[in-house]
Amino acid sequence: SQTIHQWPATLVQPVGSPLSLECTVEGTSNPNLYWYRQAAGRGLQLLFYSVGIGQISSEVPQNLSASRPQDRQFILSSKKLLLSDSGFYLCAWSTNYGYTFGSGTRLTVV
Amino acid sequence: GDSVTQMEGPVTLSEEAFLTINCTYTATGYPSLFWYVQYPGEGLQLLLKATKADDKGSNKGFEATYRKETTSFHLEKGSVQVSDSAVYFCALSGTSGAGSYQLTFGKGTKLSVIP
Repeated sequence: SQTIHQWPATLVQPVGSPLSLECTVEGTSNPNLYWYRQAAGRGLQLLFYSVGIGQISSEVPQNLSASRPQDRQFILSSKKLLLSDSGFYLCAWSTNYGYTFGSGTRLTVV
Repeated sequence: GDSVTQMEGPVTLSEEAFLTINCTYTATGYPSLFWYVQYPGEGLQLLLKATKADDKGSNKGFEATYRKETTSFHLEKGSVQVSDSAVYFCALSGTSGAGSYQLTFGKGTKLSVIP
């Protein structure tokens, strides 16, 4: 079956600290992978998407970066977190057959 | 570019009331349309979808019809339950290029159903 794993579920980090959120998918190959952020009162915003290993497209220039070191692994990173990076981060993948979201990571920057 | 506009909440209804959440879209080509639901503390789950004009998506008593002439995909349910309390997102899929599967979301509508 096709599943998506995202961790951690919650994270509290101080301003200026680094960030690494990981997402892996199972049961599919060569999926399109996405990182979305849901900020309070702003809905879902696409941050990055990837159509293959090492291929990253950024939708919104900001303090974050993404990498895809393996076909089914997608990582969201930051070198120095800002308060405005707080939010709910969702990983997702899609193929011809559908679009699946991970359970999300709630990040609070303090 | 593509965009989705959905009615702003929050929406508060009594149990067994009729629900409508309006959604309209702007897109080039012929996108697929979706409703996602997010229960408290969880990620997004696909509720229903429609891939072409006049298609009706349905699931768990919810329905939405793809109306190309009005560029709308309104979500309806005849009798809501307390367990339907969640945030509902309307979305459309991209229609071209490398991001053709990426979704454009509305801002979400929070529904609270009271007993």
